[in-house]
Amino acid sequence: SYELTQPPSVSVSPGQTASITCSGDTLGDKYACWYQQRPGQSPVLVIYQDTKRPSGIPERFSGSNSGNTATLTISGTQAMDEADYYCQAWDSSTLVFGGGTKLTVL
Amino acid sequence: QLQLQESGPGLVKPSETLSLTCAVSGGSISSSPYYGGWIRQPPGKGLEWIGTIYYSGSTYYNPSLRSRVTLSLDTSKNQLSLRLSSVTAADSAVYYCARGAKTSLGATDFDYWGQGTLVTVSS
Repeated sequence: SYELTQPPSVSVSPGQTASITCSGDTLGDKYACWYQQRPGQSPVLVIYQDTKRPSGIPERFSGSNSGNTATLTISGTQAMDEADYYCQAWDSSTLVFGGGTKLTVL
Repeated sequence: QLQLQESGPGLVKPSETLSLTCAVSGGSISSSPYYGGWIRQPPGKGLEWIGTIYYSGSTYYNPSLRSRVTLSLDTSKNQLSLRLSSVTAADSAVYYCARGAKTSLGATDFDYWGQGTLVTVSS
């Protein structure tokens, strides 16, 4: 079965750039997306189709996907960006989530 | 603005069937190119996909749950439903319904999510 691997945690200082990776076999051949989930809240789509931002998502969120790795980049990270982030892909009629990455802003 | 609202029992006994409904308002889930899905999250853990149903009625299930899951779509009510049979404590989780729009590569993301409903399996 297809698997997506994320680092369990990433730390970043306010104002700096945070990068969260998601690895999977030939992930670059599929569409990757990213969700942000704050404590006690539902997931929110922040990047879809590798690089696109839904309406209302700040420009500091960006995405890339090539080879076996998709990356979510948050530029000028703010305290409000502290959350869990999940990557997700659709492979062979199956949807897969990564294990999630806890982003700490300190 | 599209809204999704899950509803159903918060407590289910072991070996019984969990049944949830998701009411969709402010937009469609039963017309092209949309699809609905169910995702669950055990307390303190990550997201797990349960299944996806297209506007056409085609269904796709998590292989690990396929034998116990049934998704359905009521086009007249614009709602989707989940049935999960033979539940155990391991099925205790927050259950989310969500909607997406089909792309050239399939059901590739969910752009709207419900608030989630906690289901506990216990006698």
